[in-house]
Amino acid sequence: DAGVIQSPRHEVTEMGQEVTLRCKPISGHNSLFWYRQTMMRGLELLIYFNNNVPIDDSGMPEDRFSAKMPNASFSTLKIQPSEPRDSAVYFCASRLTGVYGYTFGSGTRLTVV
Amino acid sequence: SQQGEEDPQALSIQEGENATMNCSYKTSINNLQWYRQNSGRGLVHLILIRSNEREKHSGRLRVTLDTSKKSSSLLITASRAADTASYFCATDDRDDKIIFGKGTRLHILP
Repeated sequence: DAGVIQSPRHEVTEMGQEVTLRCKPISGHNSLFWYRQTMMRGLELLIYFNNNVPIDDSGMPEDRFSAKMPNASFSTLKIQPSEPRDSAVYFCASRLTGVYGYTFGSGTRLTVV
Repeated sequence: SQQGEEDPQALSIQEGENATMNCSYKTSINNLQWYRQNSGRGLVHLILIRSNEREKHSGRLRVTLDTSKKSSSLLITASRAADTASYFCATDDRDDKIIFGKGTRLHILP
């Protein structure tokens, strides 16, 4: 298995632009999580899905953030419009419910200038 | 929501020494997990300890859990340069999601 795959690895964009981050979970995993990591705030859970359904999006910072999981093998996190304070590393993780231990992707480093 | 807090924030030790990191949390848990993050990479799951367990081993890792003190420790024995990384504890939430602490940065000196 190739693990959790995130794209792009790096993204530099101008303030006000739309940014879309992508994640492919491990095949067979039915829970997917989006985290954001910064030096100041550490790892923050943004949203998680179970069986493609959003369960808890209380960590999504603002309406500018949205996430979708149209099928079991793909999820997106969209920021529109982006702002410099959104600069961070965004991680996607997946797991099989009842089996502990998340598998993380390598992350997307987002820089908004 | 509950969150683990690691202590110390940073730790430097000589190669071959043992490294101990601590984690405190706020409310009751079902389990506690430890993860490692190498620079520029995602987190890697190391070990899980359930609330009814007091100690668990995995290779050079030893984890203890004291639910009365709401604390856990991660011991890495005979440290190696490759152990240089950040280490996070994570506690579960009743809604089946886990919340991470801010981590301990471990640096192994040659």
